[in-house]
Amino acid sequence: GENVEQHPSTLSVQEGDSAVIKCTYSDSASNYFPWYKQELGKRPQLIIDIRSNVGEKKDQRIAVTLNKTAKHFSLHITETQPEDSAVYFCAASMGGGSNYKLTFGKGTLLTVNP
Amino acid sequence: EPEVTQTPSHQVTQMGQEVILRCVPISNHLYFYWYRQILGQKVEFLVSFYNNEISEKSEIFDDQFSVERPDGSNFTLKIRSTKLEDSAMYFCASKRLAGGADTQYFGPGTRLTVL
Repeated sequence: GENVEQHPSTLSVQEGDSAVIKCTYSDSASNYFPWYKQELGKRPQLIIDIRSNVGEKKDQRIAVTLNKTAKHFSLHITETQPEDSAVYFCAASMGGGSNYKLTFGKGTLLTVNP
Repeated sequence: EPEVTQTPSHQVTQMGQEVILRCVPISNHLYFYWYRQILGQKVEFLVSFYNNEISEKSEIFDDQFSVERPDGSNFTLKIRSTKLEDSAMYFCASKRLAGGADTQYFGPGTRLTVL
């Protein structure tokens, strides 16, 4: 089955700096890669996703890149703010509107220091 | 914006007891999921459900677990005889039918504590 590895497990940055979180996946059939943000005690919330027919996607300060050949994808947060502090999870799935599960990475605790 | 809801927010039970965790998915969604998250660990898939039957289940989802959609709105997870290691946060998620809509929306979770 699919296996998703995520690095680093913790990341501390100064406010205004950029943060990069990297994930690799094992199943070449995976084609949908969402990123979730989870604040302490709250539900995981989708912040951005990418499908395998696209190499990069950007939404304001957040971007995701995907390298299908190498089977890795990354989350980039620019101009970080204290409210970006949370646990970020990457995930992989076979998408296409079917009933496929998400396989999650272990998460990255991002701390943005004011 | 509609959200997935879950009840209760926190359930404390004795080992060996049965628990039922309840979820109300977003109303026009037809794919449903249960995930769990042991404290400090990653979110793990338990089961997916579509058209009134299980689509896929993980090795965690053994005979002690069952799911049901008893009516048009609720989706439940039952654990027949809880074990200490069942203590975790349980998340329900739902997804809209097809059309490239792959986003799974998560509920706020039920924290299950087994004593």
